[in-house]
Amino acid sequence: SYELTQSLSVSVALGQTARITCGGNNIGSKNVHWYQQKPGQAPVVLIYRDDNRPSGIPERFSGSNSGNTATLTISRAQAGDEADYYCQVWDNYTWVFGGGTKLTVL
Amino acid sequence: EVQVLEFGGGLVQPGGSLRLSCAASGFTFSMYTMTWVRQPPGKGLEWVSSISGSGHSTYDADSVKGRFTVSRDNSKNMLYLQMNTLRAEDTALYYCAKENQGWLDPWGQGTLVTVSS
Repeated sequence: SYELTQSLSVSVALGQTARITCGGNNIGSKNVHWYQQKPGQAPVVLIYRDDNRPSGIPERFSGSNSGNTATLTISRAQAGDEADYYCQVWDNYTWVFGGGTKLTVL
Repeated sequence: EVQVLEFGGGLVQPGGSLRLSCAASGFTFSMYTMTWVRQPPGKGLEWVSSISGSGHSTYDADSVKGRFTVSRDNSKNMLYLQMNTLRAEDTALYYCAKENQGWLDPWGQGTLVTVSS
């Protein structure tokens, strides 16, 4: 079965850029989706199909995907960006999630 | 507004059964695959089951195969998850979500299932 690997935690200084990675075998050939989950809330899609933002998601959030790594980039990090972030792909009729990355804004 | 709302969670003993429901609104329900995802307390997201718009095709994670059954009633815009032979490791917040060509949006607020004696 397909597996996605994420770092457990990432820290970023207020106003700086955070990069959260999602590793998988030839993940560049798949569509990667990213979700943000704040404490006590349901996940919300941030990026779909590698680099597309749903309406209402700030331009500070962007995605890329190539080779064996997909990346979620958060520019000008804000305190409100502290959350868990999950990557997800669809693979052969299974919906696979990464283990999640906790973002801390210092 | 596109919305989904789960209900039916609760406390159940190991080996017991529970049926979760998810009410959908704001979109043509029968046209979309629907998915259940769970999240154990303090842990990450785990896909559980999905069902095609027509209901003719279902997909289950290995961890629930043979114990959980996903179904839908398109006349009522309802999604269900019948959970049998429950185990302690099934304890989780269960979300339903609308599937959009691979990604899930929106998600409901979840319903908590606790398996304990």
